[in-house]
Amino acid sequence: DIQMTQSPSSVSASVGDRVTITCRASQDIHTWLGWFQQKPGKAPKLLIYGATTLETGVPSRFSGSGSGTEFALTITSLQPEDFATYYCLHADSFPLTFGGGTKVEI
Amino acid sequence: QVQLVQSGAEVKKPGASVTVSCKTSGYKFTTYGINWVRQAPGQGLEWMGWVSAYNGDTSYALKFQDRVTMTTDATTAYMEVRNLRSDDTAVYYCARGGGIKLLSGDWTYWGQGTLVTVSS
Repeated sequence: DIQMTQSPSSVSASVGDRVTITCRASQDIHTWLGWFQQKPGKAPKLLIYGATTLETGVPSRFSGSGSGTEFALTITSLQPEDFATYYCLHADSFPLTFGGGTKVEI
Repeated sequence: QVQLVQSGAEVKKPGASVTVSCKTSGYKFTTYGINWVRQAPGQGLEWMGWVSAYNGDTSYALKFQDRVTMTTDATTAYMEVRNLRSDDTAVYYCARGGGIKLLSGDWTYWGQGTLVTVSS
């Protein structure tokens, strides 16, 4: 099975900050990676798929990069509504696996 | 508009079974599969498996292979979890998706979540 190692597990930031979250895959997953945002009590929301493609309606301050085994989600100019938990998901092959999550907090 | 509506909260005793349903609308059901994801209290997301709405093919995470069955009918996906344990207490989500190769339209739509509580 492919393991997804996400870091950091939490990050303290302020409005306007730039935040970068990384995911490392245990083997080559090409660009079959998505990023999700989850707020308490809500279902996750897809932000990025294909490692770099922004989902419709997602603000452009979110961006994804990487391929192979190293991936990153960057939020430029953090907004109040961006404080949430973020997860990566690989979809290269079954079984799919999520990263452990990164909580972005004030 | 696309909607996935899940069945309501359940309370079960250890050893029992539970079936969670995910009723879809607003798209051609057979075009996408359904993923099932769970989240234990205060924990991260865990992929449980996927079922094809086209032909019923399934793929399960190894830890669930012996206790979980995913099925579909006309517009609804179902997930049965057998031999429940206390650590199965979680919110269970369905999410529309094609399984592997996360493509446009996959994982965009989710159910609202179903809390399953396992307690004696």
